[in-house]
Amino acid sequence: EDQVTQSPEALRLQEGESSSLNCSYTVSGLRGLFWYRQDPGKGPEFLFTLYSAGEEKEKERLKATLTKKESFLHITAPKPEDSATYLCAVQAKNGGSQGNLIFGKGTKLSVKP
Amino acid sequence: NAGVTQTPKFRVLKTGQSMTLLCAQDMNHEYMYWYRQDPGMGLRLIHYSVGEGTTAKGEVPDGYNVSRLKKQNFLLGLESAAPSQTSVYFCASSYSKMRLAGNNEQFFGPGTRLTVL
Repeated sequence: EDQVTQSPEALRLQEGESSSLNCSYTVSGLRGLFWYRQDPGKGPEFLFTLYSAGEEKEKERLKATLTKKESFLHITAPKPEDSATYLCAVQAKNGGSQGNLIFGKGTKLSVKP
Repeated sequence: NAGVTQTPKFRVLKTGQSMTLLCAQDMNHEYMYWYRQDPGMGLRLIHYSVGEGTTAKGEVPDGYNVSRLKKQNFLLGLESAAPSQTSVYFCASSYSKMRLAGNNEQFFGPGTRLTVL
C-alpha cells in the first residue's frame, strides 16, 4: 500500500535556527513527490516537485531533496513568516491510487522571533 | 487569473439537508479534484475528474456525488448531510496527471468549512 509519513508532527524553532522536515514514503514506483505549504484557514500552496533520487530544488530559505525512500525540506535561517504547516504528497506510477496524490499528515512549523 | 475559487466559504447544515459546493478554475486545467481535510487525517481524495463529463471515485466517496458539466467547473454534492461530513473541503486542479515529469502539480482553492449539526 502506498504510504506517506511526515515527521516531526510539530517543530518549534527560533528565528535563524536551521532545521529539516522529513517525508518518508513507500510507493509502487515514484512518479513525483510534492511539497506544499498551508497557512491556517487557507488552501495548500504548491512549493516543489521532485521526480528522481538526487534531485534538489530551492526557493528562498527552503531546499527540498529526494532519496529513494524519503525527502527532506531544509529550512535555512527561518523567519516567523515561514510558520505554516508543510505537507508532503507522493504520486505513484502504478497501483491502486491511480496516479492520485497521497498526502502525509503534515509538519506544523512555528518560528519564534 | 483567479486560479481556483470555491463557493461558499462557510456553511452550516442540519443533518439530512442537502447542498452543493462549487469549484471553478480559470487555468484551463483538464483535471479537477475534491478533497476533505480533517484534524489528524491529512487530505483525503473524495472524487476527481479527468475531463469534462467524466468523474471517478477517490478514497472516501461515500455520501458525495460530483458533476463536471463544464471544463472549468466541478461540483460536489451532499444529498443527505451527516455529522461525519463536518470537515474542510478543498478543490484542486492540475494540467496533467500522468506525465513522466512536469505539470502534474495540483493547485488548490481556499476551502469551504462545512459544519453538519
